[in-house]
Amino acid sequence: EAQVTQNPRYLITVTGKKLTVTCSQNMNHEYMSWYRQDPGLGLRQIYYSMNVEVTDKGDVPEGYKVSRKEKRNFPLILESPSPNQTSLYFCASSSHRDGYTFGSGTRLTVV
Amino acid sequence: SQKIEQNSEALNIQEGKTATLTCNYTNYSPAYLQWYRQDPGRGPVFLLLIRENEKEKRKERLKVTFDTTLKQSLFHITASQPADSATYLCALDEGGGNKLTFGTGTQLKVEL
Repeated sequence: EAQVTQNPRYLITVTGKKLTVTCSQNMNHEYMSWYRQDPGLGLRQIYYSMNVEVTDKGDVPEGYKVSRKEKRNFPLILESPSPNQTSLYFCASSSHRDGYTFGSGTRLTVV
Repeated sequence: SQKIEQNSEALNIQEGKTATLTCNYTNYSPAYLQWYRQDPGRGPVFLLLIRENEKEKRKERLKVTFDTTLKQSLFHITASQPADSATYLCALDEGGGNKLTFGTGTQLKVEL
């Protein structure tokens, strides 16, 4: 089944404790993105990748890192999480000039 | 500044009627525009993509129009059903590289 898999689905962590949210797609898509979704603010792009080893900042990249060492994986790294990073996170992938397939989301709470 | 505007108020319509949702944008020159559906707590689902040189696109009961002069897209669902109730998001890509910016969405409720 064609899909984008994110893990974990739910995560509660403490301020400052490094964490990684994994994202993997099985559709051989070139493009991958991370979004966060907050009430009233909608989906905001964090980082974006056009292909292996090619990444670009989105609208809200501060406090996040990404890497794209393989085509299928695009992990999101929070080096020192803070409470304002509490949010619902989505990973998505697409081929050129096509719609995105989104993952099921990761609900992160930073206390 | 760049802005994508969708009606923040929920749209309530009766089953069988046509729902029309609006997406307006300012200070963008999108190469193409996409529409997504999102159910509570779930990831958005891609519905339709329309390019800047296309006026209209259809898929089953869905129709999208794109007016680059008015800087507006309209999304229509004909013969609406309660199962169509969801939040609908429009998204723009300026550079053609699939770097999408999303509107905040409009909630549609279809009542029996």
